[in-house]
Amino acid sequence: KAGVTQTPRYLIKTRGQQVTLSCSPISGHRSVSWYQQTPGQGLQFLFEYFSETQRNKGNFPGRFSGRQFSNSRSEMNVSTLELGDSALYLCASSPSGQTTDTQYFGPGTRLTVL
Amino acid sequence: AQTVTQSQPEMSVQEAETVTLSCTYDTSESDYYLFWYKQPPSRQMILVIRQEAYKQQNATENRFSVNFQKAAKSFSLKISDSQLGDAAMYFCAYRSSNTGNQFYFGTGTSLTVIP
Repeated sequence: KAGVTQTPRYLIKTRGQQVTLSCSPISGHRSVSWYQQTPGQGLQFLFEYFSETQRNKGNFPGRFSGRQFSNSRSEMNVSTLELGDSALYLCASSPSGQTTDTQYFGPGTRLTVL
Repeated sequence: AQTVTQSQPEMSVQEAETVTLSCTYDTSESDYYLFWYKQPPSRQMILVIRQEAYKQQNATENRFSVNFQKAAKSFSLKISDSQLGDAAMYFCAYRSSNTGNQFYFGTGTSLTVIP
């Protein structure tokens, strides 16, 4: 099976713009989670989607949003970008999102905000 | 919220030697899962090993094993016969059985393998 894929791999935006990141989970996986990774804060949970519904949400402002499509692909959107949003954004998929599942991570999208 | 602490930002080990990476966590729950993930310089996170809290037996995956001390809330990773390909950032992660698929990660330990 193909692994988790994320597009694009690199992005450069300016403050105030918005950005959309995409994640395609492993075939058959229905749960997609998003994480922000920065040198200062480490890996922080953004949200999780399962069957097109947000099931869990981390402590991030409303500028961060996401959605999931019927084919389980997920997108994450950040509006009104700030310099502090520069980070590696990782998505992870699992079969059903049950606690017994293992999460499989994608390579990430490196977002730079200028 | 649960917290995961990795007190060793950097570690180094000679090739073929053994190294132990430390991880402690704070939780009031009794049922949870612990993981070690590896993130090589290419940035793809890879699962190394997982441990269910209800299991007393320490998990083992080839050269990787854990020392899970539930009462002490400690979950260390031992890498035996270290190889150059083990060089990476290692993250300890906690997942509750109650909060779905949300992982709490430590800040990571950067492991260098010296030839």
